Amino acid sequence: AQSVTQPDIHITVSEGASLELRCNYSYGATPYLFWYVQSPGQGLQLLLKYFSGDTLVQGIKGFEAEFKRSQSSFNLRKPSVHWSDAAEYFCAVGGNTGFQKLVFGTGTRLLVSP
Amino acid sequence: DADVTQTPRNRITKTGKRIMLECSQTKGHDRMYWYRQDPGLGLQLIYYSFDVKDINKGEISDGYSVSRQAQAKFSLSLESAIPNQTALYFCATRGQGADTQYFGPGTRLTVL
Repeated sequence: AQSVTQPDIHITVSEGASLELRCNYSYGATPYLFWYVQSPGQGLQLLLKYFSGDTLVQGIKGFEAEFKRSQSSFNLRKPSVHWSDAAEYFCAVGGNTGFQKLVFGTGTRLLVSP
Repeated sequence: DADVTQTPRNRITKTGKRIMLECSQTKGHDRMYWYRQDPGLGLQLIYYSFDVKDINKGEISDGYSVSRQAQAKFSLSLESAIPNQTALYFCATRGQGADTQYFGPGTRLTVL
């Protein structure tokens, strides 16, 4: 069965510090992996995605993620966090066939301290 | 203008009332989805549609129905709302052969 685990419910990071949000997945075929961000009162915005090729993918707003097949992980990183990054982050896994059922993790809420 | 719009953005209703949430898109996508988000949970799929003639149940369709009035419009109905349907509802779209779903801003529904 497909599943996504985001083990950290909340993370607090100082502004300017680095960030890593963890995501582990279970998927029976080649996974298509996504990170979405949900700012307060907003919808979900795609940060980045991975389908194949280079395992380090770059996204918007200075985010990157690394796919590690051996660890079934797709962790999100940012070298220097800005106060505007405070939001909730969702990892999702799915395929690219048919209707593309996406399975979402429960989300990690990022708090940025001054 | 936003590519995926949802109306209303906020709605408070009472138990037993019928309510409709609407989604419109200008992306020209054929695939549309309705999700529900509860605090502390990820998004769960309610219904999805390949096109106006193809509608399918997702993992939590009980208590909900949908209508695909046109390629650009996909409505979600609660025939008789109950308090545990209080949640944030998202519509999403995806083009055929595309790899990404695009989400609307969400509708916050409260059932008293």
